[in-house]
Amino acid sequence: GNSVTQMEGPVTLSEEAFLTINCTYTATGYPSLFWYVQYPGEGLQLLLKATKADDKGSNKGFEATYRKETTSFHLEKGSVQVSDSAVYFCALSDYGGSQGNLIFGKGTKLSVKP
Amino acid sequence: GAGVSQSPSNKVTEKGKDVELRCDPISGHTALYWYRQSLGQGLEFLIYFQGNSAPDKSGLPSDRFSAERTGGSVSTLTIQRTQQEDSAVYLCASSIGGGPYNEQFFGPGTRLTVL
Repeated sequence: GNSVTQMEGPVTLSEEAFLTINCTYTATGYPSLFWYVQYPGEGLQLLLKATKADDKGSNKGFEATYRKETTSFHLEKGSVQVSDSAVYFCALSDYGGSQGNLIFGKGTKLSVKP
Repeated sequence: GAGVSQSPSNKVTEKGKDVELRCDPISGHTALYWYRQSLGQGLEFLIYFQGNSAPDKSGLPSDRFSAERTGGSVSTLTIQRTQQEDSAVYLCASSIGGGPYNEQFFGPGTRLTVL
């Protein structure tokens, strides 16, 4: 079945450090890939997405590239800010399962120190 | 416009009681999903509604769980004879259409605690 594996946290970085959160997936079809973010005390919200191989999703300085050959969708940001402290979830959605339900990784908690 | 809303925000119940959780999706969104977020299991899909079609219940963990969606809008998730392992945050999401390309917008969740 479909699944998502992402690096376990927590991850603690200093402000302006480079961020990478690894995410790999297993899927029977051709999934869309997503990164969702949950800020403290807030609901889950979409950060970025990519719907086909080699697509790059980007938002708020974050980027992730859909790599079919390595079944990966790693999240990167060149210079993190304290306000980026949150839990990040990698997810996939595939027509092979329910019509678009998301399958999530376990989440990675990021803390950015000033 | 208004986002997805859920009620109650918190629910504390005793083991064995029934609970109902409500979700109001974004107006015009035909697809509605329920997920559960717990410490042990992470985020899990529960059930999916699309328009007037029969729901996909493939994620429901047991027959104590059921859900309805009335008039293609509001949805209610019912858990009968609650157990302590049902304690979790229940999230509702809606999207303009089903499928893997449409963004899902999440509500704030209902935190359920079963004593």
